[in-house]
Amino acid sequence: AQSVAQPEDQVNVAEGNPLTVKCTYSVSGNPYLFWYVQYPNRGLQFLLKYITGDNLVKGSYGFEAEFNKSQTSFHLKKPSALVSDSALYFCAVRDLPTLFSGGYNKLIFGAGTRLAVHP
Amino acid sequence: NAGVTQTPKFRVLKTGQSMTLLCAQDMNHEYMYWYRQDPGMGLRLIHYSVGEGTTAKGEVPDGYNVSRLKKQNFLLGLESAAPSQTSVYFCATEAYSERSPLHFGNGTRLTVT
Repeated sequence: AQSVAQPEDQVNVAEGNPLTVKCTYSVSGNPYLFWYVQYPNRGLQFLLKYITGDNLVKGSYGFEAEFNKSQTSFHLKKPSALVSDSALYFCAVRDLPTLFSGGYNKLIFGAGTRLAVHP
Repeated sequence: NAGVTQTPKFRVLKTGQSMTLLCAQDMNHEYMYWYRQDPGMGLRLIHYSVGEGTTAKGEVPDGYNVSRLKKQNFLLGLESAAPSQTSVYFCATEAYSERSPLHFGNGTRLTVT
């Protein structure tokens, strides 16, 4: 069964410093990995995804994420945090569809990590 | 281009009352989902649909029903609301590809007293 873990409930960073939001996953095969961001009173917005290829993926708003197969991780990073980056961040994973899954696998979300960037 | 629209935005119900949440999309996406979001629990899938006229159960389907009579609409029903169904409900859509991201509505905040 697929699963995803975000080990930190909250991450605190000073503005201008680099930030990392951690995510680890478990799938039976090769994963599709996603990061989403949620601002207050809004739905989730897509940030970036890893499907295949280069392990470093670049996304919206200057965010990037590094896929590490040996550590089964997909940590979200940004070189210089902004106060406006403060939000709730969700990692999500999907196993590749197989005949056993009926050709379709659902997306599984982590519990979320709240990022607080302080001036 | 509205994307994914959820109605209503807020609702307060008494225990035992019923209601229907509507999700409408104008992106011609095949897949539609209903999630609930509770503090510390992330998003949990209630029901989903892989196409018009089809629905399937997710992780937490009990107490909910859904219908997808038209491709653009996905309805979530609560037949007899319970306080445990107090939550924020999100609808999401996805193109016909596991590689594509989900597009979310802005949510419905439901309180059951």
